[in-house]
Amino acid sequence: KAGVTQTPRYLIKTRGQQVTLSCSPISGHRSVSWYQQTPGQGLQFLFEYFSETQRNKGNFPGRFSGRQFSNSRSEMNVSTLELGDSALYLCASSLELADTQYFGPGTRLTVL
Amino acid sequence: AQRVTQPEKLLSVFKGAPVELKCNYSYSGSPELFWYVQYSRQRLQLLLRHISRESIKGFTADLNKGETSFHLKKPFAQEEDSAMYYCALHSSYKLIFGSGTRLLVRP
Repeated sequence: KAGVTQTPRYLIKTRGQQVTLSCSPISGHRSVSWYQQTPGQGLQFLFEYFSETQRNKGNFPGRFSGRQFSNSRSEMNVSTLELGDSALYLCASSLELADTQYFGPGTRLTVL
Repeated sequence: AQRVTQPEKLLSVFKGAPVELKCNYSYSGSPELFWYVQYSRQRLQLLLRHISRESIKGFTADLNKGETSFHLKKPFAQEEDSAMYYCALHSSYKLIFGSGTRLLVRP
């Protein structure tokens, strides 16, 4: 089976802009989670979606949002970008809620 | 508060030496713990899940509820084991990660 895919792989934006990242889970997986990875804060949970519903949300401002489509694909959006949003954004999928999570390669976002 | 602690940022050993990567957790209830590995320029990969109690690439990890630890061990390190290792706790449908330990295996 193909693994989790994320697009784009690299992105450069300027402060104040917004960005949308996309994630395609492993075929048959219904749950998608998003994480932010930075050198200073490490890996931090953003949110998890299952059956098009957000089931859990991490401690991030409302500028961070996401959604899941009926085919389980997911997008996350960050509005009004700040320099501190520069990070590697990882998507993970699992068969069901609370199952083992498998990660994508990430989208590296740089905010200038 | 639920937390995962990996006290060592860097662990350097020689090839063939034993390896132990430390992980301690804070969690009320029965924890579900994982080890993930990230090789250079590769995605985060699942290494071990404590429930399965299997050995992957020679690594094992035992859950010690008394000491709230889930240390990762390998009897003989190989150069290809050099990578970043993350311990993670599954809680409320999310993974809580430790800060990671970089393992460097020298020839």
